[in-house]
Amino acid sequence: DAKTTQPTSMDCAEGRAANLPCNHSTISGNEYVYWYRQIHSQGPQYIIHGLKNNETNEMASLIITEDRKSSTLILPHATLRDTAVYYCIVRGYRGSTLGRLYFGRGTQLTVWP
Amino acid sequence: DAGVIQSPRHEVTEMGQEVTLRCKPISGHDYLFWYRQTMMRGLELLIYFNNNVPIDDSGMPEDRFSAKMPNASFSTLKIQPSEPRDSAVYFCASSTDVGLAGGRFTGELFFGEGSRLTVL
Repeated sequence: DAKTTQPTSMDCAEGRAANLPCNHSTISGNEYVYWYRQIHSQGPQYIIHGLKNNETNEMASLIITEDRKSSTLILPHATLRDTAVYYCIVRGYRGSTLGRLYFGRGTQLTVWP
Repeated sequence: DAGVIQSPRHEVTEMGQEVTLRCKPISGHDYLFWYRQTMMRGLELLIYFNNNVPIDDSGMPEDRFSAKMPNASFSTLKIQPSEPRDSAVYFCASSTDVGLAGGRFTGELFFGEGSRLTVL
């Protein structure tokens, strides 16, 4: 019951922007897009979320297309510590996606020196 | 806040033994999730609770797995009998009830550090 698709892996040079894409073509009107990352075997960590407007916080920026069928997580200046698996999920505030959250396998981002 | 607390962090047991994993969610959170992570299958949702009530357990692999949430501050995931294929990292996560905070939808999950289970 995957609701998002992401590339298996990506890499990025340290100091450059990392742009991680996510496809969520079946997203419904009450669903938000969330991004998490997992470093080594730690628990996944929340990064950012949004509905339809672009969002920015101290960690990253989230760009959501106008039709909301895809989004891009941007790490503006990637560091070696950003090497992790990044997950894109959708979560609604009502209905079945309120609780049943599918993480899948995410994108392995490797930042190289 | 101490975050989501899981125990034990590591467990090594023999096939056929009972395993109990524990989770203490963040105080005030209404949702609790149990996930399992393996190299083969990634991060899988096993079950989630809302206000201590199991809402969806369709991800629980089989009858050997059971989960309970006797109160708002404690949940257990039990495997009986355990098998080598149950070896994985088990994560617990909690979340506030979905709603708006200052006009903005919240609901992000907070994960524990996980319990690494090895069944020999």
